[in-house]
Amino acid sequence: GAVVSQHPSWVICKSGTSVKIECRSLDFQATTMFWYRQFPKQSLMLMATSNEGSKATYEQGVEKDKFLINHASLTLSTLTVTSAHPEDSSFYICGTVPSYNEQFFGPGTRLTVL
Amino acid sequence: GENVEQHPSTLSVQEGDSAVIKCTYSDSASNYFPWYKQELGKRPQLIIDIRSNVGEKKDQRIAVTLNKTAKHFSLHITETQPEDSAVYFCAANGSGDKLTFGTGTRLAVRP
Repeated sequence: GAVVSQHPSWVICKSGTSVKIECRSLDFQATTMFWYRQFPKQSLMLMATSNEGSKATYEQGVEKDKFLINHASLTLSTLTVTSAHPEDSSFYICGTVPSYNEQFFGPGTRLTVL
Repeated sequence: GENVEQHPSTLSVQEGDSAVIKCTYSDSASNYFPWYKQELGKRPQLIIDIRSNVGEKKDQRIAVTLNKTAKHFSLHITETQPEDSAVYFCAANGSGDKLTFGTGTRLAVRP
């Protein structure tokens, strides 16, 4: 499977601050990456599709001005949670598709907003 | 869009017994159905997948069946072991690479 890294693995921040999460594809060029959010004991919910060189596509109900996505290269996508609040505390996971349909995930970033 | 339902939400089996998890999907355009295993605090790991052109796929103790007519697919784990304890998610792809996940099944294998 594909090798995908995420940084940081965990972050604690104060309410109102912004947090950037990086997702890197280490062994192939990813034109598309997916960002998910997972609350405790719940399933993965797709937030947005990150497209290299163009705007991200957001799922219904996800605020694009709050969750900024940048996919400036074929190996890096970033998710910035702006003005984070405690309800944004979650496990954020990115996914990539190196071959037909098969999706592999980064190790995830646990965000805690105080 | 795609909607995936998964049952049961929790499953407890004795070591050595079989476990079956079932999912249904709504979008007839879906043609890819992966299963993921997620341990606490870790990323989901792809354990097996099936495409719409086959009805069954097996990999050692794990098998998946697909019924396209009824729009349901199932995961079968035989000879369960304590290390199989985890949360399992099914998913379906709609018409592209975007995955819609089921709600998850927490499997506990009792030694």
